Amino acid sequence: LAKTTQPISMDSYEGQEVNITCSHNNIATNDYITWYQQFPSQGPRFIIQGYKTKVTNEVASLFIPADRKSSTLSLPRVSLSDTAVYYCLVGPIYNQGGKLIFGQGTELSVKP
Amino acid sequence: GAGVSQSPSNKVTEKGKDVELRCDPISGHTALYWYRQRLGQGLEFLIYFQGNSAPDKSGLPSDRFSAERTGESVSTLTIQRTQQEDSAVYLCASSLLWSVTSNSGANVLTFGAGSRLTVL
Repeated sequence: LAKTTQPISMDSYEGQEVNITCSHNNIATNDYITWYQQFPSQGPRFIIQGYKTKVTNEVASLFIPADRKSSTLSLPRVSLSDTAVYYCLVGPIYNQGGKLIFGQGTELSVKP
Repeated sequence: GAGVSQSPSNKVTEKGKDVELRCDPISGHTALYWYRQRLGQGLEFLIYFQGNSAPDKSGLPSDRFSAERTGESVSTLTIQRTQQEDSAVYLCASSLLWSVTSNSGANVLTFGAGSRLTVL
């Protein structure tokens, strides 16, 4: 299973773009990269998933370089409500899937 | 159901008692996961079920912990002789698996709200 490494915490201000990078040096060919967001007293919720290059949805973008050994979650123009813990998860999606191990996550604090 | 349902939402018990936590996954989700999250910590994998295959129990911290799931339905996590260190939020998640007909949403976990366990 690919191990992930993220910064423990980050600070930002409202309206700024926030980029959170996750390292996963031993990512396997079948592994996808998925990001989750967790607010206090709630379970994590899915943000975005990708395999390579760039993926964008209504809330975030995910940038994955050609070697796939890292990925960057980009949150455009953050607001106070984006204060949360963000987890990067690497694992297979084909066939049997398998247990998914979360890293420690990045605690993002957005200030006014 | 529309989401993953967990019960009870809160449980306070005395040290040494047994507790049972329930997870009702999204209908049609073949994979089910249990995680433990202590206060201020990350998610600790406990156990993974996939359809009728043998579960991956590699994350269970001791033999006081066990979990069952019948087919692709409800799962129960049981903690026997609870200890204070068992105090945590227990999160359940379910997901679809990839298939040749649809690769969207595969291995995307939908979490329940969790069961907060406090052992006195």
